[in-house]
Amino acid sequence: DIQMTQSPSSLSASVGDRVTITCQASQDINNHLNWYQQRPGEAPKLLIYGASNLATGVPSSFSGRGSGTDFAFTISSLQPEDFATYYCQQYDNLPLTFGGGTKVEIK
Amino acid sequence: EVQLVESGGGLVQPGGSLRLSCAASGFTFSDHYMDWVRQAPGKGLEWVGRTTNKANSYTTQYAASVKGRFTISRDESKSSLYLQMNSLKTEDTAVYYCARRQGSSAWGIIDYWGQGTLVTVSS
Repeated sequence: DIQMTQSPSSLSASVGDRVTITCQASQDINNHLNWYQQRPGEAPKLLIYGASNLATGVPSSFSGRGSGTDFAFTISSLQPEDFATYYCQQYDNLPLTFGGGTKVEIK
Repeated sequence: EVQLVESGGGLVQPGGSLRLSCAASGFTFSDHYMDWVRQAPGKGLEWVGRTTNKANSYTTQYAASVKGRFTISRDESKSSLYLQMNSLKTEDTAVYYCARRQGSSAWGIIDYWGQGTLVTVSS
C-alpha cells in the first residue's frame, strides 16, 4: 500500500495568514493526489484534485502543487471558515490511502 | 443537486452483522464508481472499498482490513449502494461514508460524500 505522510499534524494560525501543508507519498504517484477539507461533524469536501486542479466552487485562495512523491497545499489568506482538518489522498493505486490529517486551529 | 443519504448504522455486538444503505439522487447512478470510506472516532479517513460502474460490470475491491467480511453491492433500480458487514469487530467502530467518484472515470477522485452513519461495535 502507498503510505501518505502529511505534516504538520496540527498548526495554529491567524485570520489572514498564509498556510502550507505538505504531503509525501511512499512511492511515485504522478499527480494523482487530492486534498479534502473536513469541518467538525461534517463530511469531507473535495478542494483540489489531480494535485493542482481546483474543484468546482472552491475559492481560489486554495491551491495545490507537486508531482511524484512531494506535494503541497496552500491557503493564501486564512478565513474563519477555513479552520478545519485537511487530508491528502492518493489515487494512483488501490487501496486509496489518506494522509493522517492536518488540523488548522485559530491562534 | 447530488445527494447521498446513508442509513442503517447502530450498535451491534462483536461478531454481529449490519447492512448500511446509501440512497443516491441528482445524478445518473449507473455512470459512477462508488466507494465506502470510514472514520473511527477522532481518527483519520480509511478507504473501505469500491464498486465500479455499469460500463465496468459493477466489480468490487476491498481494503485488506475488511476483505472477506464486508460486501459492497448496488441496486440500480433504486439508485442505492449497500455495505453488508459481517463478523464485525470492535475496530470496525466508525462513521461510514458513502461517496461518489467524479465523472465516469475509475480515478479515485471523490467529489461527493454522504453525511455518514455511525456504526458502533461493542458488547
